[in-house]
Amino acid sequence: AQSVTQLDSQVPVFEEAPVELRCNYSSSVSVYLFWYVQYPNQGLQLLLKYLSGSTLVESINGFEAEFNKSQTSFHLRKPSVHISDTAEYFCAVSLMNTGFQKLVFGTGTRLLVSP
Amino acid sequence: SAVISQKPSRDICQRGTSLTIQCQVDSQVTMMFWYRQQPGQSLTLIATANQGSEATYESGFVIDKFPISRPNLTFSTLTVSNMSPEDSSIYLCSVDPSNTGELFFGEGSRLTVL
Repeated sequence: AQSVTQLDSQVPVFEEAPVELRCNYSSSVSVYLFWYVQYPNQGLQLLLKYLSGSTLVESINGFEAEFNKSQTSFHLRKPSVHISDTAEYFCAVSLMNTGFQKLVFGTGTRLLVSP
Repeated sequence: SAVISQKPSRDICQRGTSLTIQCQVDSQVTMMFWYRQQPGQSLTLIATANQGSEATYESGFVIDKFPISRPNLTFSTLTVSNMSPEDSSIYLCSVDPSNTGELFFGEGSRLTVL
């Protein structure tokens, strides 16, 4: 069975600093990869996804993630964070042979951006 | 996109009782997904609900404990039966209306069992 590991439960960072949220997965078959974000008092929403093609994917608000098959990783990065990026970030995978709606989530990383 | 409404948003229940959570979507969707998020843990898929057929449950979840209804293409319910404190969780409904891998989630139903 596949699994997702987010080693950092919380990442504090100052505004305008770079950040990387780590995500590693294990699976015996090919996967789809996702990052979801949950802002305070809001529901989960998709930040970005990798289904195929270029291994570097970007979101509209400056985040990017790179699929690294050899290291089974899908780390999320942003070169300069804003206060408004404070949220919980969930990495998720699904198997190509079961469809991309059956997601397995990591335990989440809380990003805390302070001035 | 999709807008999902869940009711109740939160509830406090007594051990041994049952609670039904409702999920309403603003568009017709083939599949609806029910997830659970236990305190301090990740989201776990409970089951997939298809209109006109029985729900498909993931390993560790059974129909007797989590019966699901799917009467039409915009609505589903999840019942948590014979509740115990271990059932205290946030229960989330989700859909992928475009079948593109972008799941839309409701804001969840926070259940506390005493």
